[in-house]
Amino acid sequence: DTEVTQTPKHLVMGMTNKKSLKCEQHMGHRAMYWYKQKAKKPPELMFVYSYEKLSINESVPSRFSPECPNSSLLNLHLHALQPEDSALYLCASSQSGLRGGNEQFFGPGTRLTVL
Amino acid sequence: SQKIEQNSEALNIQEGKTATLTCNYTNYSPAYLQWYRQDPGRGPVFLLLIRENEKEKRKERLKVTFDTTLKQSLFHITASQPADSATYLCALSLRYGNNRLAFGKGNQVVVIP
Repeated sequence: DTEVTQTPKHLVMGMTNKKSLKCEQHMGHRAMYWYKQKAKKPPELMFVYSYEKLSINESVPSRFSPECPNSSLLNLHLHALQPEDSALYLCASSQSGLRGGNEQFFGPGTRLTVL
Repeated sequence: SQKIEQNSEALNIQEGKTATLTCNYTNYSPAYLQWYRQDPGRGPVFLLLIRENEKEKRKERLKVTFDTTLKQSLFHITASQPADSATYLCALSLRYGNNRLAFGKGNQVVVIP
């Protein structure tokens, strides 16, 4: 299985809601990533988990809270988001997160709209 | 500060011709350079990786070059097909540093039948 899956595909939420995005991979990869992508822009790194430990937080606001329950799963908990947080949220995984040179496998993304 | 530049204008190309895309970078010394393809509303898909000590890499109709002196990578799609129409992103990473990818803005390719 060489796939990264993400649920839900689409999410519409109000500014007071709490929701979660889910990501799963069964390739035995030890690094998982969250990216945010706005239209016509490249993916922007948010968080990196390496061996289930948070290794990079790119100064993301605390209304985004990542969680890595085990090596196959990655969640992104959302709370009190702003309309400008509307974007495509991408999850990715790679064999290792300890050094460069590892290709990243991306999921299809969750299209988030904040009203 | 680090800069990764790809042409912002879409490349329109006739089917069967070779599409060539450029990725230039400044204030960066990447050990690895990757190319990804992205279709609208979808996640990027890995295409090729080239190391700093490699000059050229090929995969089927794709070819990538990496010139660390010029700080440039060229990405070629030979015998282009309408199905190759997409946005192509270059991404750089260091030897160490959590496999963090720094992406260029992407270059759209439109293959005209």
